[in-house]
Amino acid sequence: NAGVTQTPKFRVLKTGQSMTLLCAQDMNHEYMYWYRQDPGMGLRLIHYSVGEGTTAKGEVPDGYNVSRLKKQNFLLGLESAAPSQTSVYFCASSYSEIYQPQHFGDGTRLSIL
Amino acid sequence: SQKIEQNSEALNIQEGKTATLTCNYTNYSPAYLQWYRQDPGRGPVFLLLIRENEKEKRKERLKVTFDTTLKQSLFHITASQPADSATYLCAPSFMDSNYQLIWGAGTKLIIKP
Repeated sequence: NAGVTQTPKFRVLKTGQSMTLLCAQDMNHEYMYWYRQDPGMGLRLIHYSVGEGTTAKGEVPDGYNVSRLKKQNFLLGLESAAPSQTSVYFCASSYSEIYQPQHFGDGTRLSIL
Repeated sequence: SQKIEQNSEALNIQEGKTATLTCNYTNYSPAYLQWYRQDPGRGPVFLLLIRENEKEKRKERLKVTFDTTLKQSLFHITASQPADSATYLCAPSFMDSNYQLIWGAGTKLIIKP
């Protein structure tokens, strides 16, 4: 059971570079989420999707874009990376929006120099 | 806006004893609340969900209580084992946040043999 798979696991970028983080789930979940986790803080929602072809902003969407072209994939893009975007990024999926657990990948550790 | 507070200091417990972790929230009660476990370098893993109208939920050695008067949820691990050592995250869901989970920063639990 793969569950939620995130690639890459680690990445170092220079300020101004762009990159895309990939999330794939094999549980046929409708809902997918991108979070960032910073020391001493709770997970913060960046963007989420309620189904194929849909995206919505979360708590901290600035500087990020997302796409959900296929139900199983949710991509997070950084167009022009900034040091403030240094963080651990987690993708999650769930069967429905409420009263359901979220299933997480093991994260992408991203450093922006 | 809602604030979710978990004890930021690590909790040290002797093996075999009961560990009790606290999650406090402000303002009004959540529709439900989830508890997750997170190991170093890994994504959060769902443990238990308790709804607003439930006082207590159990799963094997785990128990969650919900006190809407105190605006608090307690998470208990009975007969604790060193393998229970991890960071535990509390995540309530509020109607006015479109039921998105609002995450606490977590409490690190250390079970000593």
